[in-house]
Amino acid sequence: DVVMTQSPLSLPVTLGQPASISCRSSQSLVHTDGNTYLAWFQQRPGQSPRRLIYNVSNRDSGVPDRFSGSGSGTDFTLKISRVEAEDVGVYYCMQVTHWPPITFGQGTRLEIK
Amino acid sequence: EVQLVESGGGLVQPGGSLRLSCAASGFTFSSYNVNWVRQAPGKGLEWLSYISITSKTIHYADSVRGRFTVSRDNAKSSLYLQMNGLGVEDTAVYYCVRGFISSSGSYWGQGTLVTVSS
Repeated sequence: DVVMTQSPLSLPVTLGQPASISCRSSQSLVHTDGNTYLAWFQQRPGQSPRRLIYNVSNRDSGVPDRFSGSGSGTDFTLKISRVEAEDVGVYYCMQVTHWPPITFGQGTRLEIK
Repeated sequence: EVQLVESGGGLVQPGGSLRLSCAASGFTFSSYNVNWVRQAPGKGLEWLSYISITSKTIHYADSVRGRFTVSRDNAKSSLYLQMNGLGVEDTAVYYCVRGFISSSGSYWGQGTLVTVSS
């Protein structure tokens, strides 16, 4: 199974400042079809998860452009250019390249300092 | 508007059974593969099961294989999860999910809480 490791697990950020979350996979997430099936989800308190980014860097409809995804192979990053209060929650990376099983990172809790 | 509404959760004793349902609307359910994901209280997300459009392909996580059975009824636009041999470790919010990496979006229900306790 592919293990997804996120860091940090807790991320206190000042409003208006940038934030970055790292996600590393135990093996390359490049699929034989050439795509990399790595997604990022946001889970606000009391809500269901919401996808932000798919295939490493494609932002979902309605997701603010302050969110961006990057990376390749086994190393991936979610960046928030300027954190807003509504960004508080837990962020998960997830891979669907080598499945089953589909695997998630442990989650990174973003809070406002 | 795409909607997924789970139901069937509740309190069950260890060793008991429960059947979860997920009612889909706002899209052609029979055209999409669907999944179950759960989240234990205060914990992360765990993928449980996948079922293809025709039910021909089904996958389970090791943690539930042999105890849980996924099924669907395309005529009713519904997804099901039959859970047997429940243990306290199965206490979680259970979500049905359409699409994880599809460019047409990823949709999650609001979840249904299953509590296994004596």
